[in-house]
Amino acid sequence: ETGVTQTPRHLVMGMTNKKSLKCEQHLGHNAMYWYKQSAKKPLELMFVYNFKEQTENNSVPSRFSPECPNSSHLFLHLHTLQPEDSALYLCASSLWTDQPQHFGDGTRLSIL
Amino acid sequence: ELKVEQNPLFLSMQEEKNYTIYCNYSTTSDRLYWYRQDPGKSLESLFVLLSNGAVKQEGRLMASLDTKARLSTLHITAAVHDLSATYFCAVDPPGSGSRLTFGEGTQLTVNP
Repeated sequence: ETGVTQTPRHLVMGMTNKKSLKCEQHLGHNAMYWYKQSAKKPLELMFVYNFKEQTENNSVPSRFSPECPNSSHLFLHLHTLQPEDSALYLCASSLWTDQPQHFGDGTRLSIL
Repeated sequence: ELKVEQNPLFLSMQEEKNYTIYCNYSTTSDRLYWYRQDPGKSLESLFVLLSNGAVKQEGRLMASLDTKARLSTLHITAAVHDLSATYFCAVDPPGSGSRLTFGEGTQLTVNP
């Protein structure tokens, strides 16, 4: 139990579907992150939220849309995804942005 | 662009043997993290190294940081099967705004 919970754990969707990934942390952290982990590639930072404000968008395509309604919850809205978007999507949180990050178990996303 | 390189990428070792994983990075940083990931699991924070010469030890693992050489090492002493996992280093350069850049990971297998 890492304190960071991601749902769903697995998601299969077609390219025309719309779905959302959810991340929740009860650690009292103020910063939350989305990462993409593809096979044979390093983890890639996608988005950073600090106190609900987006502070980093690492050139992520607009078909990925993050939402952070409060410091405990983070969503990643998906629409019109491509097969190359199939990956493990990891959420993380930290007390402040310069503190160690705690990761969730990830959502394994497969695009058909 | 910051590059973080780990070697080896794959390591198969016998129990009770010692070995070292290396993490080189291409730009100035005095903050480096080591994470462990088991298959299908989250990333677990192992060490946070915050200054030149920092050395931290936990059980059979010891991590060190040489900021002048831009090198961190993760030394494994008397390996046991439970240490089998993928180990990532990540660098957070000054002014990056918590933008962690990860290495590709070292997949460690400890054989009985």
